[in-house]
Amino acid sequence: SQQGEEDPQALSIQEGENATMNCSYKTSINNLQWYRQNSGRGLVHLILIRSNEREKHSGRLRVTLDTSKKSSSLLITASRAADTASYFCATYDTGTASKLTFGTGTRLQVTL
Amino acid sequence: DAGVIQSPRHEVTEMGQEVTLRCKPISGHNSLFWYRQTMMRGLELLIYFNNNVPIDDSGMPEDRFSAKMPNASFSTLKIQPSEPRDSAVYFCASSSQTREKLFFGSGTQLSVL
Repeated sequence: SQQGEEDPQALSIQEGENATMNCSYKTSINNLQWYRQNSGRGLVHLILIRSNEREKHSGRLRVTLDTSKKSSSLLITASRAADTASYFCATYDTGTASKLTFGTGTRLQVTL
Repeated sequence: DAGVIQSPRHEVTEMGQEVTLRCKPISGHNSLFWYRQTMMRGLELLIYFNNNVPIDDSGMPEDRFSAKMPNASFSTLKIQPSEPRDSAVYFCASSSQTREKLFFGSGTQLSVL
């Protein structure tokens, strides 16, 4: 079963705009990660945020984590056509040792 | 670093045939994961290994599925007999540390006719 639910399921924006994706999860977590998947390819790790962190940045990516609401958001600033992909959140919960559970994903389309 | 290597890239087979998917993790990584991705069910964890030992196989759909990791550099996922509902993309991933990021292979697109 899916641990995380991403919102929205699909997002279409123009190049240069910001894209925000949200993820909600159900259990207590050790950390939360975001991955990108280009069509027909494997997943690529983007960023990891630990349960005691509230915000993290990496280049044009900004991730927030609210453990009280069991939610996270991924912000991509100044989007580019190359950012077109599916984005997934994934969590390691505190109960299972090494089981990374993925959400349902957000399909992002960035148009010129 | 060659990354996680999976083979074959595509597999088309007929119902009832045996299918073997192969994975070579990144050298030095001690955890290996098999995931299955479908439109209906998304990404599902099938099984994961730590130091070549299967830790959790609760995601394996049924007895037709089996996975082995005979050494630190090789793992197989076998389906016998295969069924059309097994059609999916199967990913292998590896990790160097517990609860850290995963490195994914390019996947095997399996079609069972």
